[in-house]
Amino acid sequence: TQLLEQSPQFLSIQEGENLTVYCNSSSVFSSLQWYRQEPGEGPVLLVTVVTGGEVKKLKRLTFQFGDARKDSSLHITAAQPGDTGLYLCAGGGADGLTFGKGTHLIIQP
Amino acid sequence: ETGVTQTPRHLVMGMTNKKSLKCEQHLGHNAMYWYKQSAKKPLELMFVYSLEERVENNSVPSRFSPECPNSSHLFLHLHTLQPEDSALYLCASSQLGLAGGPNTGELFFGEGSRLTVL
Repeated sequence: TQLLEQSPQFLSIQEGENLTVYCNSSSVFSSLQWYRQEPGEGPVLLVTVVTGGEVKKLKRLTFQFGDARKDSSLHITAAQPGDTGLYLCAGGGADGLTFGKGTHLIIQP
Repeated sequence: ETGVTQTPRHLVMGMTNKKSLKCEQHLGHNAMYWYKQSAKKPLELMFVYSLEERVENNSVPSRFSPECPNSSHLFLHLHTLQPEDSALYLCASSQLGLAGGPNTGELFFGEGSRLTVL
């Protein structure tokens, strides 16, 4: 069974600060997705990375896929209250998508 | 209409009740899913329907019964649930390739149905 560990589990920071959250596994994935879930909503896809070492940017969000395709990171620059939510990573493989437990992020004004 | 809609948004039921969750997707996708989201646990895949045929059932208890009458609609029938079944139930859809195989592409989720079993 493929497992994805996300860290930290909870993070609360002030508006304007930078942060990085992580998604790690001992398994290799063919792709890695990041979703954001806001309170009372379903998860929404932010990005998909498929190549080892790949870096994608989405405004203030930078996503990186590890060289060995076992881990990924999400870096947010100058966090805003609108970034608050649950960030889920999901690894793609022979068993379909495997989700991590998520990182609960709170950005305080 | 937004992409994937779920009703009801909130449901409280006793252990002897029978109720159903409904999901409708307006994206023209060929696969639909039920996921269970509990606190401190990863999203758990319950059922997958591809082209209206059930292709995956991850050992879900028989008190959960899915139904997919067409490619746009998905139901989850609930019967004699337990308090530990209280969770957010998320419906999702995706477009699977012609080659088949498990989905590793983008999932489009509904807003979820928050279920409380008393």
